[in-house]
Amino acid sequence: AQSVAQPEDQVNVAEGNPLTVKCTYSVSGNPYLFWYVQYPNRGLQFLLKYITGDNLVKGSYGFEAEFNKSQTSFHLKKPSALVSDSALYFCAVRYSGYSTLTFGKGTMLLVSP
Amino acid sequence: KAGVTQTPRYLIKTRGQQVTLSCSPISGHRSVSWYQQTPGQGLQFLFEYFSETQRNKGNFPGRFSGRQFSNSRSEMNVSTLELGDSALYLCASSTGTGGETQYFGPGTRLLVL
Repeated sequence: AQSVAQPEDQVNVAEGNPLTVKCTYSVSGNPYLFWYVQYPNRGLQFLLKYITGDNLVKGSYGFEAEFNKSQTSFHLKKPSALVSDSALYFCAVRYSGYSTLTFGKGTMLLVSP
Repeated sequence: KAGVTQTPRYLIKTRGQQVTLSCSPISGHRSVSWYQQTPGQGLQFLFEYFSETQRNKGNFPGRFSGRQFSNSRSEMNVSTLELGDSALYLCASSTGTGGETQYFGPGTRLLVL
């Protein structure tokens, strides 16, 4: 069965510092990996995805993620955090094909001024 | 292009009642998926509809049902509401061609009293 783990409930970082939100996955075959962000009382906004090809994926708002097959990880990164990046971040995985999207439990990112 | 819309945005019901939520996908998208989000269980997949047919189903009781119309709009229905059904219900649309990105609506916040 496919699953996603986000080992940190919360990540704290100061504005201007680099940030990393961790995600590991468990799925056989070739996974499709996604990152979404959720602001309070809002739906999920798509940030980026990995399907195939270059292991470094660039997405919206300056975020990027690196697919690491040997470590089965897909960590979200940003070189310089903004206070406005404070939100709930979800990693998600699906098999190729028409399987469902499985989400991690989410990581709250808090960026302090 | 207009995003995914969900109506109503907020709903208060009492135990035992039933409720119908509506989702209009992005124009041209044929797949609609529904998720339940709660603080305790996180994001859980309910079902997916593609071209008016249920393609995938999550592990929810039969009180939860859905349908999709020929214009790809979708509704989900919850009968005999329980207190535990209080949640944010999110709808996501995609092209349905496999591996594609799901785009989420703002959600319907359901409170069961």
